[in-house]
Amino acid sequence: ETGVTQSPTHLIKTRGQQVTLRCSSQSGHNTVSWYQQALGQGPQFIFQYYREEENGRGNFPPRFSGLQFPNYSSELNVNALELNDSALYLCASSAGGYNYGYTFGSGTRLTVV
Amino acid sequence: EDKVVQSPLSLVVHEGDTVTLNCSYEVTNFRSLLWYKQEKKAPTFLFMLTSSGIEKKSGRLSSILDKKELFSILNITATQTGDSAVYLCALVSGGSNYKLTFGKGTLLTVNP
Repeated sequence: ETGVTQSPTHLIKTRGQQVTLRCSSQSGHNTVSWYQQALGQGPQFIFQYYREEENGRGNFPPRFSGLQFPNYSSELNVNALELNDSALYLCASSAGGYNYGYTFGSGTRLTVV
Repeated sequence: EDKVVQSPLSLVVHEGDTVTLNCSYEVTNFRSLLWYKQEKKAPTFLFMLTSSGIEKKSGRLSSILDKKELFSILNITATQTGDSAVYLCALVSGGSNYKLTFGKGTLLTVNP
């Protein structure tokens, strides 16, 4: 399998609920990072995992958490959803190290009502 | 805190025009600078720049980095309607724990 795939593509949740978004990395990639992109804005870095360990985090509260699995797929969990969590959530994978580019998935559009 | 500023925020041109998109940055521990094209959802990779003064080229697109003046430019020559998209500049920075910082992007519209 090639490319980065994300699921689901769209999701509607109610304020206060919890959500899990999933990402399958491109074959051969051991690094995955997550981004939140609000409408009309650039992606904001949430965190990054390298070989199942978090190795970078942006300015997001602890209710944003993640996991990377031995097959390098990943999950983003958001607890206690707020209205302003509504955004496109992008996952990107890399072969590791900052000298490699990042391949992005098509994202999950999350709407919190 | 690392910062990326792109300009202009939006640009409308006619097919065949040449455009230059700008990206300036402030960084503590520079690793690389990336350019992406975002049409609908998934940003697609264009260039990675790590060294000053070395132009990267792919077809009608080219990019260069100036690490002294802390900016990069993306040039598109002979623009086509298919070039219409948001162009994102991203900075990779940090030591063992590194991160990406994106600019807001430049919305390019190419009219026939």
